[in-house]
Amino acid sequence: GDSVTQMEGPVTLSEEAFLTINCTYTATGYPSLFWYVQYPGEGLQLLLKATKADDKGSNKGFEATYRKETTSFHLEKGSVQVSDSAVYFCALKDVNRDDKIIFGKGTRLHILP
Amino acid sequence: DVKVTQSSRYLVKRTGEKVFLECVQDMDHENMFWYRQDPGLGLRLIYFSYDVKMKEKGDIPEGYSVSREKKERFSLILESASTNQTSMYLCASGQIDSRYGYTFGSGTRLTVV
Repeated sequence: GDSVTQMEGPVTLSEEAFLTINCTYTATGYPSLFWYVQYPGEGLQLLLKATKADDKGSNKGFEATYRKETTSFHLEKGSVQVSDSAVYFCALKDVNRDDKIIFGKGTRLHILP
Repeated sequence: DVKVTQSSRYLVKRTGEKVFLECVQDMDHENMFWYRQDPGLGLRLIYFSYDVKMKEKGDIPEGYSVSREKKERFSLILESASTNQTSMYLCASGQIDSRYGYTFGSGTRLTVV
């Protein structure tokens, strides 16, 4: 079945460092891809999304490009802030299961001042 | 702002008790979901509902049931709580392809002793 694999954390970086969180997927067809973020004590919220190959999703300085050839959707940010500390989830919409989403296991990010 | 409200933030129950977790959304969403979140396992779908009185099993429905008597309310029921149901429970509602994707509640951390 469809699945999402993302890099294990925790990831610890200094403020202003460059961030990459890797995400790869396995799917039949062409799923929509998402990054969700969970700040401490809160529920998940949508960070960005891409619905077709070569689309780039972006929000709050984060970017991810839908790469069909490598089945990847890596999350990047050029200069992280302490406020970016959170858990990040890569996810896909299973095209065969209406409106259900498959989440990766999450990557915890710690940003040090 | 769309609100998904979960009735309790923290809950401690005894083994064998019947437990009700309540979720209410205020945006007239048809779709509602219950997930559990565990370290190293990410989010796993328990049950979901596309309409009033409608329910479908997710990936891990064993030991759970749900109720959707009104559009805005989706309840998760643990028929006889067990220690392996100690977890964070997240409710979500919405359309995956909408601008904001799913909207999640802040979660209920349930401990079964």
